[in-house]
Amino acid sequence: EAQVTQNPRYLITVTGKKLTVTCSQNMNHEYMSWYRQDPGLGLRQIYYSMNVEVTDKGDVPEGYKVSRKEKRNFPLILESPSPNQTSLYFCASSPLAGAGNEQFFGPGTRLTVL
Amino acid sequence: AQKVTQAQTEISVVEKEDVTLDCVYETRDTTYYLFWYKQPPSGELVFLIRRNSFDEQNEISGRYSWNFQKSTSSFNFTITASQVVDSAVYFCALSDKVYNFNKFYFGSGTKLNVKP
Repeated sequence: EAQVTQNPRYLITVTGKKLTVTCSQNMNHEYMSWYRQDPGLGLRQIYYSMNVEVTDKGDVPEGYKVSRKEKRNFPLILESPSPNQTSLYFCASSPLAGAGNEQFFGPGTRLTVL
Repeated sequence: AQKVTQAQTEISVVEKEDVTLDCVYETRDTTYYLFWYKQPPSGELVFLIRRNSFDEQNEISGRYSWNFQKSTSSFNFTITASQVVDSAVYFCALSDKVYNFNKFYFGSGTKLNVKP
């Protein structure tokens, strides 16, 4: 089944404890992206990747890191999480970069930082 | 700067009513794409439609229709004869050529409640 998977789905952590949210797609998509969803703000793009080893900042990159070492994986790293990073996170992928295609979203990861 | 505004935070209708969700966008670019996504209570995000800036034809898909008007920078979404299963949060989004269509700007969403 074609899909985008994220792990974990739920995570409660404490301020300053490094964490990684994994994202994987099995559709051989070129483009991948991370978003956070907050009440009243909709989805805001954190980082995106046009291909392996090619990433760029979205609108809210502060406090996050990403890497794209393989085409299928695009992990989101919070090196020192803070309570303002409590949010619902979505990973998405799209067949091509630079084409404004529809995105396929993962199921979401609900992160709480205490 | 790019921006998408969904001024309706929440709408409640009774089943079988028609409902229109508004979306107003801002971009300086003449080449862009507009999208609508649905987020049902289960939480996943589902793609509904993509429209490019050069195609102003309205689109109809079953009970769904979209009205794209460049003159007012709007891309409104109408559900005809709404059903309870239409209850969801709906997001409008924009991607333009400034960042080669790799950046996406979402509105804050409109929560639609369809009551039986």
